[in-house]
Amino acid sequence: QQQVKQSPQSLIVQKGGISIINCAYENTAFDYFPWYQQFPGKGPALLIAIRPDVSEKKEGRFTISFNKSAKQFSLHIMDSQPGDSATYFCAAYNFNKFYFGSGTKLNVKP
Amino acid sequence: GAVVSQHPSWVICKSGTSVKIECRSLDFQATTMFWYRQFPKQSLMLMATSNEGSKATYEQGVEKDKFLINHASLTLSTLTVTSAHPEDSSFYICSARELGVDSPLHFGNGTRLTVT
Repeated sequence: QQQVKQSPQSLIVQKGGISIINCAYENTAFDYFPWYQQFPGKGPALLIAIRPDVSEKKEGRFTISFNKSAKQFSLHIMDSQPGDSATYFCAAYNFNKFYFGSGTKLNVKP
Repeated sequence: GAVVSQHPSWVICKSGTSVKIECRSLDFQATTMFWYRQFPKQSLMLMATSNEGSKATYEQGVEKDKFLINHASLTLSTLTVTSAHPEDSSFYICSARELGVDSPLHFGNGTRLTVT
């Protein structure tokens, strides 16, 4: 059973546009939600993270929106750049275990 | 920021041999380290969780006798793929976590294992 469901599987955005990736979860015990960015042949790198008592967190061009009642959270990349082209994973954490979404491959067209 | 160093970055070995992958937390103490396996264009599959000084906890379906994990110190964990076979070829990634409620997971750069 997939603990964290991520969509879309792939995304194409024009340079300067907004990239939006969504995740949903069922387990209300999750208490920490990070997003990771992975380039080919590299390990994932932490991008931004949020706790469920906060509805939004912004760091530069990256924003997490969190809807606790709907059990959904999303990553928004503003002013998307070709260098943002990568695979993005959402995750949820509890009891010393991280559960990852299936990943979204983002392609930002110049 | 926290750095996790993983070596080697790639390795080619013959079927039947064993391969050891090292994972080190360079600037923090990692009481818990995680080992993941990633197939092409797929998500991260947790193989096992290792806590310093104790036996690793393996996920269902992961052969503990095949994938030996040792977490001898707060900064070093190793994964040994024993008697490797071509189906073990994959991208293996370690990660480490500091103590603390909001501590993020930091990943190494992965090891591409090819078994011929």
